[in-house]
Amino acid sequence: DSGVTQTPKHLITATGQRVTLRCSPRSGDLSVYWYQQSLDQGLQFLIQYYNGEERAKGNILERFSAQQFPDLHSELNLSSLELGDSALYFCASSVDGGAGYNEQFFGPGTRLTVL
Amino acid sequence: GESVGLHLPTLSVQEGDNSIINCAYSNSASDYFIWYKQESGKGPQFIIDIRSNMDKRQGQRVTVLLNKTVKHLSLQIAATQPGDSAVYFCAENRSGGSNYKLTFGKGTLLTVNP
Repeated sequence: DSGVTQTPKHLITATGQRVTLRCSPRSGDLSVYWYQQSLDQGLQFLIQYYNGEERAKGNILERFSAQQFPDLHSELNLSSLELGDSALYFCASSVDGGAGYNEQFFGPGTRLTVL
Repeated sequence: GESVGLHLPTLSVQEGDNSIINCAYSNSASDYFIWYKQESGKGPQFIIDIRSNMDKRQGQRVTVLLNKTVKHLSLQIAATQPGDSAVYFCAENRSGGSNYKLTFGKGTLLTVNP
């Protein structure tokens, strides 16, 4: 158990819909990262938040957005869903997003299925 | 662009044998390399990392080798056990400014036969 929690574990929805994925980082971790894992693209970095502020962006679509709240939990919002958005979405956290590498601890993921 | 890739998508070994999983990377600016293990239905789990100023690092039953000349990373697992069966990813981290994203390779599926 990494200490990172994600809800829900599974999500099934229809095209065009909007969903929200939730992540609680490990106690004391200030950075939260979101990754998408699909069969054809592997694990792709989406976005990072540090202490409530966006720190880095990766291959995140404009239909997707995220935020980190004062209690440090984070939500990833996916809208206008398409079939291709079906994937595993992982959240990871680290102590500090500052200088140097900090080990990222991954949550169990949310499996999103868009029908 | 930057990329991290794996040579072998699958690797099958006998229990007790040593396993070697390889990874090529293209971004010479990367300063950390990390190996993750992902078991079915779970998130990636950190195994071992190595800084770019090192060429070898050992952990418990695992060794990571880094060859910067040819931009190659490998993970060696000694005395492979059935519990080692999983997908293994290499990842690179390039610090600089405030960007600490991990770039992952495609993954290698390791199957350990009893």
